[in-house]
Amino acid sequence: SQQGEEDPQALSIQEGENATMNCSYKTSINNLQWYRQNSGRGLVHLILIRSNEREKHSGRLRVTLDTSKKSSSLLITASRAADTASYFCATQPSGGSYIPTFGRGTSLIVHP
Amino acid sequence: DGGITQSPKYLFRKEGQNVTLSCEQNLNHDAMYWYRQDPGQGLRLIYYSQIVNDFQKGDIAEGYSVSREKKESFPLTVTSAQKNPTAFYLCATSPGQVLFYEQYFGPGTRLTVT
Repeated sequence: SQQGEEDPQALSIQEGENATMNCSYKTSINNLQWYRQNSGRGLVHLILIRSNEREKHSGRLRVTLDTSKKSSSLLITASRAADTASYFCATQPSGGSYIPTFGRGTSLIVHP
Repeated sequence: DGGITQSPKYLFRKEGQNVTLSCEQNLNHDAMYWYRQDPGQGLRLIYYSQIVNDFQKGDIAEGYSVSREKKESFPLTVTSAQKNPTAFYLCATSPGQVLFYEQYFGPGTRLTVT
C-alpha cells in the first residue's frame, strides 16, 4: 500500500482563503516532500522537510511535520487561482529503499 | 519541467505492440526514475537507475523494460506483456540519492493502447 495518504481528497475554496491539506504515513521516515501537479503536467517540488524538523516555510507555503503522529500538513496562505492543482506528499522511509512513496494527492480548486 | 524532455506528449498504440517512451535530461543528474500515474492515483515506481549501465526494478516493473547506456537518457519500453498499459508516464531525475535531494519531473507522456 502507499506510504503517504493525503486528506482531503478534494478541496474547493475562494481566492484569498487559506488551504490546508494533510498527509499521514505509516512507518518511520527520513524526510517528507510535497509536490504540486498541474493538470496533465509533471510534478514540481515544493518543500522537503527532514524528520528532525518540525516546520518549514517557503513563500506562502508552510509545512509542519509531527513524527509522533506520523503526519504532515501543507498550508497555502492567501490562495490564488493559480494555486489550483493536485498536491502530493512523498515519504522517504528510514532503514530501507531511498525511493520516496507518493500518496494519491489532494485536488485543490481555488475559485477567483 | 526544467531540463527533462519526454517525447512524445501523446502516444497511441494497438494492443500487442511494444512501445518505447523517451526521457532525456541535460541536468547532469545521476539518478533517473520512471513512474506510472493512473487517474486519481498517486505515482507508482516502475524502474530507477542510479548510474549508467545499472538499474533496479520498482514496485510495478512487470511488463516494462529500461536501459541506461548514457547518463542523459533512460528510455522505457512498454511491452505487450503489460496487461493494462494505458496511463500517464512520468520520468524524473535527482542529483543523487533522493534522501538528500528532491526529484525533478518531466512533462509526461500519455500512452493510450487500444
